[in-house]
Amino acid sequence: GQQLNQSPQSMFIQEGEDVSMNCTSSSIFNTWLWYKQEPGEGPVLLIALYKAGELTSNGRLTAQFGITRKDSFLNISASIPSDVGIYFCAGQLSGTYKYIFGTGTRLKVLA
Amino acid sequence: SAVISQKPSRDICQRGTSLTIQCQVDSQVTMMFWYRQQPGQSLTLIATANQGSEATYESGFVIDKFPISRPNLTFSTLTVSNMSPEDSSIYLCSVDIGDSPPEAFFGQGTRLTVV
Repeated sequence: GQQLNQSPQSMFIQEGEDVSMNCTSSSIFNTWLWYKQEPGEGPVLLIALYKAGELTSNGRLTAQFGITRKDSFLNISASIPSDVGIYFCAGQLSGTYKYIFGTGTRLKVLA
Repeated sequence: SAVISQKPSRDICQRGTSLTIQCQVDSQVTMMFWYRQQPGQSLTLIATANQGSEATYESGFVIDKFPISRPNLTFSTLTVSNMSPEDSSIYLCSVDIGDSPPEAFFGQGTRLTVV
């Protein structure tokens, strides 16, 4: 199936560092969602973005809906060990109800 | 948000058998979605299940292999039929909650291993 390009694929960072990941596509999206998935669990919604240019925060997380509607990024500030997991973006294509998922960013935080 | 419960949470099955996965939501929803997540991979939509109509399958997925039921607005099942080791994946149920626009929430997933 179709997937979004998400980068980086994986990251190893020190506790306290900031993290940035992004998703890009050649298609236009109406909505961007960011999820975190931990082992043995389903994805948990972190942030939802609805308008081009929108910048939204949820605690230490900040995400933006790209102005072209073809990309989005997620920043995590001052990372902590419990930030470990796989982060997925998901975009809802214009004119559909379906979400397409990014390839995932695997984050590991070294204490 | 919504509470989405899937059963079983995991199973190990023999090839050639079938497994039915249940998804229960704590509120009425119009559409329910089934995803597959192969080991180390992202999520791929299998089908969309609406009450009272046949499920809509994505390219690469067929009803004979993944029959879906949607008897009411809070429940759905996905069956993985005639399983082979290639069907070993996490299967996830998802629902859209809210309006303008809705947000997608997931169950905890069913981890299937076919031996």
